Amino acid sequence: GAGVSQSPRYKVTKRGQDVALRCDPISGHVSLYWYRQALGQGPEFLTYFNYEAQQDKSGLPNDRFSAERPEGSISTLTIQRTEQRDSAMYRCASSFGQGNTEAFFGQGTRLTVV
Amino acid sequence: GEDVEQSLFLSVREGDSSVINCTYTDSSSTYLYWYKQEPGAGLQLLTYIFSNMDMKQDQRLTVLLNKKDKHLSLRIADTQTGDSAIYFCAESKSGAGSYQLTFGKGTKLSVIP
Repeated sequence: GAGVSQSPRYKVTKRGQDVALRCDPISGHVSLYWYRQALGQGPEFLTYFNYEAQQDKSGLPNDRFSAERPEGSISTLTIQRTEQRDSAMYRCASSFGQGNTEAFFGQGTRLTVV
Repeated sequence: GEDVEQSLFLSVREGDSSVINCTYTDSSSTYLYWYKQEPGAGLQLLTYIFSNMDMKQDQRLTVLLNKKDKHLSLRIADTQTGDSAIYFCAESKSGAGSYQLTFGKGTKLSVIP
């Protein structure tokens, strides 16, 4: 596609529910990243994929968070048993190669846990 | 302290130059970036500079890097109302982990007509 596409744009969920956030990277981009951005803050790194391999998940806050990219293209970030503190903007980015010389971000998914 | 620091707000008059400043702590940073965030939009990569450069110019944008002081700035010439946005400075490390960006909290630029 023309850019990184994320869906849904907005998600409101009740505490305790599971949510799945989707990212469709730019076609041909092998690297994919997830970031989380709290209000008034800059994005913080969550996890990184090179093709389908999750190379780094050190930024995932706890084991309720997981991500996959089974075919090396679309990725899903899943949050189980959501809590209010999970409310944030979740941003996905992709880049052509390894490393971040030019990483392109999607519009993000605004998650609100009530 | 924070890895990347920016002042939170900047207000300028239309037509003036804007200078947004950023300091970082990691001397091993290889690339330094400026991203722009407009309401309802994603993060847009504006420009980036390799750490062995001290200046990069791209149309109205000038990036200055003082590696000794770990200081990065973004100058926007002839600032327009469409430049109103939040500007994020970010760094990437060298070697393993170079894919990971560390962002500042962002500087909100307000352009007064």
